[in-house]
Amino acid sequence: QKEVEQNSGPLSVPEGAIASLNCTYSDRGSQSFFWYRQYSGKSPELIMFIYSNGDKEDGRFTAQLNKASQYVSLLIRDSQPSDSATYLCAAYGNKLVFGAGTILRVKS
Amino acid sequence: DARVTQTPRHKVTEMGQEVTMRCQPILGHNTVFWYRQTMMQGLELLAYFRNRAPLDDSGMPKDRFSAEMPDATLATLKIQPSEPRDSAVYFCASGLESNQPQHFGDGTRLSIL
Repeated sequence: QKEVEQNSGPLSVPEGAIASLNCTYSDRGSQSFFWYRQYSGKSPELIMFIYSNGDKEDGRFTAQLNKASQYVSLLIRDSQPSDSATYLCAAYGNKLVFGAGTILRVKS
Repeated sequence: DARVTQTPRHKVTEMGQEVTMRCQPILGHNTVFWYRQTMMQGLELLAYFRNRAPLDDSGMPKDRFSAEMPDATLATLKIQPSEPRDSAVYFCASGLESNQPQHFGDGTRLSIL
């Protein structure tokens, strides 16, 4: 079992819809959680981070954390074609571990 | 905006040659990380430093890879001798602390022929 698991996708959503990206982690000691966006040929770019159970909103992005279920999600509202990228989930226990990423495609 | 700077951006060399990659972390960041990214393995942590001291290099092949931080503004990753399987994109990232957001450089795209 991988330490951080994500559905590889691709996840296809129409422009303007809500994209929901999910991630599970195996280390119950994980304390901090991060979402990065990576465009093809580019470096990962931090989108959101969350430390506490519940929701955290930043513009069109909402991160959700449920430590009891070991589950993290990222919602992207009003999805745009420019949101098309690979989204990496990462969890920090005693080191940062990345998932393999979910490919998101937003169709106009 | 403060950025992590990596050099070179691209490197093509022959098997057996020494490769050195350099990273300048964001000023004031105490932690520096080296990652390798391939299509097959995704993003893998190779090594990381806190206050210039190596804390974890368990992800790095010790026989050919070495990572150092000679001063607070420079981290290096060396491969000697290089092999075709080392072909990948190598990212450096820095952060204030290990459990806080990391900021990535643009990467070094390495091809070993």
